[in-house]
Amino acid sequence: QVQLQESGPGLVKPSETLSLICSVSGGSIRSTSYYWAWIRQPPGKGPEWIGSIYYSGSTYYNPSLKSQVTISVDTSKNQFSLRMNSVTAADTAVYYCARTSGSNFYWGQGTLVTVSS
Amino acid sequence: QSALTQPASVSGSPGQSITISCTGTSSDVGGYNYVSWYQQHPGKAPKLMIYDVSNRPSGVSNRFSGSKSGNTASLTISGLQAEDEADYYCSSFTSSTTWVFGGGTKLTVL
Repeated sequence: QVQLQESGPGLVKPSETLSLICSVSGGSIRSTSYYWAWIRQPPGKGPEWIGSIYYSGSTYYNPSLKSQVTISVDTSKNQFSLRMNSVTAADTAVYYCARTSGSNFYWGQGTLVTVSS
Repeated sequence: QSALTQPASVSGSPGQSITISCTGTSSDVGGYNYVSWYQQHPGKAPKLMIYDVSNRPSGVSNRFSGSKSGNTASLTISGLQAEDEADYYCSSFTSSTTWVFGGGTKLTVL
């Protein structure tokens, strides 16, 4: 059974860079059957897809966040990462990583990131 | 990209059936059979209930079913139970090679 675990700082200062890692266990990130995604959910709101990556490094981003976001993959460590620069309070959310196949999204447990000075 | 449109709330009594709608456009819901539904209890991660319009993952009750007509997808829950009370979100692939979610529907079991 695959498991996904998000890790990273829970508090980030405004204008700084948010960095998160998703560690994948119980399955290979090199699988040709899946894409790997980051999704966030601000408090009291619905989820927002941030972007997806294939093991080869091909990426797809939410156009509204594209200039701010970089998603990368490290197949040697079986993990993928999110970097979001110049964050503001509006980027405060629970951040989830997910394995995707078609519209089948399998989510990690999520990690709360608060942007505050 | 605009969020998919869901009713803010629905309610039903135990044993009844309810349906939650998810309306998009021909560029997302209407154009692809990549619509999914998630259940979220407070403080928990979303749980996949339906994928690819009408497929149920292993372990999900057959009381949950999905369908699509034109630009609107629907989630139906039959035999409503107290534990079904939660927030429900739909999601769809789009022609821009992105994913979009709905604003969510709060289900209250009376």
